[in-house]
Amino acid sequence: DGGITQSPKYLFRKEGQNVTLSCEQNLNHDAMYWYRQDPGQGLRLIYYSQIVNDFQKGDIAEGYSVSREKKESFPLTVTSAQKNPTAFYLCASRGLAGTDTQYFGPGTRLTVL
Amino acid sequence: EDKVVQSPLSLVVHEGDTVTLNCSYEVTNFRSLLWYKQEKKAPTFLFMLTSSGIEKKSGRLSSILDKKELFSILNITATQTGDSAVYLCAGWDYGNKLVFGAGTILRVKS
Repeated sequence: DGGITQSPKYLFRKEGQNVTLSCEQNLNHDAMYWYRQDPGQGLRLIYYSQIVNDFQKGDIAEGYSVSREKKESFPLTVTSAQKNPTAFYLCASRGLAGTDTQYFGPGTRLTVL
Repeated sequence: EDKVVQSPLSLVVHEGDTVTLNCSYEVTNFRSLLWYKQEKKAPTFLFMLTSSGIEKKSGRLSSILDKKELFSILNITATQTGDSAVYLCAGWDYGNKLVFGAGTILRVKS
């Protein structure tokens, strides 16, 4: 099966804990993205990576960290510094330059208790 | 600051109606515009528009881009309850970032 997988689907954490969200793709896409979605606010870009071992901050990177050690994987860590982490997190990927279609994974819903 | 604005924010129609969803954009070095449908899960891709005036169609859905007026519309004809969703519009800039609008919530009543 080709596509983008995210795990877990639902995640609960206590305040003050770091948590890592997984994103894997087997589409051989170069670029990968993390978005956060809150009700009524659309999608906001957290981090993105266009090649392995390189990534850039998006619009709301504070309190988050990422790594891109492999082309197919782009995990997102939500740190305790993120003040309001409860949200729906979406990972996406895009193919080579010249291909503008971005595809999304199924998402992880994070709730901080 | 780049921005994408969608209107209306929400819309309720009856099955069989035709709806038009609007998207205006101000994106630096604009490259293309995408439409997505989201039904309580991940967005699914509908259309990508790069050239003005060329309509893209898929079944009952169609979309067109006006690069002079910085505007796009998504039309849905003969709406069905399965069309109920949030419709997202997003613009690519040459910095390889996709800027999303807040979405239009469409509810189709039977």
